[in-house]
Amino acid sequence: AQSVTQPDIHITVSEGASLELRCNYSYGATPYLFWYVQSPGQGLQLLLKYFSGDTLVQGIKGFEAEFKRSQSSFNLRKPSVHWSDAAEYFCAVGRFTGGGNKLTFGTGTQLKVEL
Amino acid sequence: DVKVTQSSRYLVKRTGEKVFLECVQDMDHENMFWYRQDPGLGLRLIYFSYDVKMKEKGDIPEGYSVSREKKERFSLILESASTNQTSMYLCASSPLGSSYNSPLHFGNGTRLTVT
Repeated sequence: AQSVTQPDIHITVSEGASLELRCNYSYGATPYLFWYVQSPGQGLQLLLKYFSGDTLVQGIKGFEAEFKRSQSSFNLRKPSVHWSDAAEYFCAVGRFTGGGNKLTFGTGTQLKVEL
Repeated sequence: DVKVTQSSRYLVKRTGEKVFLECVQDMDHENMFWYRQDPGLGLRLIYFSYDVKMKEKGDIPEGYSVSREKKERFSLILESASTNQTSMYLCASSPLGSSYNSPLHFGNGTRLTVT
């Protein structure tokens, strides 16, 4: 069965500092990997995704993520955090099943940005 | 832009009541999903549907049922609400296809409190 681990429940960074959110996955085949962001009171929004090709993927809002097969990781990074990035971030692994598709989410990392 | 609308933002129900959570999407998506979100547990899939009148159990279907009579509408039903079903419920939709090419679009959630 697929699973996702986000080891950091809370992270606090200063505005302008760099950010890395960790994600480790478990999946038997080549995974589809995603990062979603949830701002307070909102649903989840897709930041970026990976399936194959270049292991460094670019997303919206200046985020990027790097796929490392040897470490089963898909960490999210941003060079300079803005106060508006404060939100909860979810890593997810997906698989295609029958006519649909199924995502398994991690438990999330709450990001706080200090001004 | 895809819109997934959940009919209620907040709901308060009593133990034992039958509860309906409604979700409508406006993009003719084949797939629809219900997740519940709890602190420290992330998002867990309750049920999903990849066609009208088709449904599949997710990871935590116990105590829930679903209905999909029309393509745009997916209802989550709590037959007899219990306090452990107090949670945030998120609806999502996606077009047919792999989870990579057909990412989820989420509604803003319904926060259900069962007293």
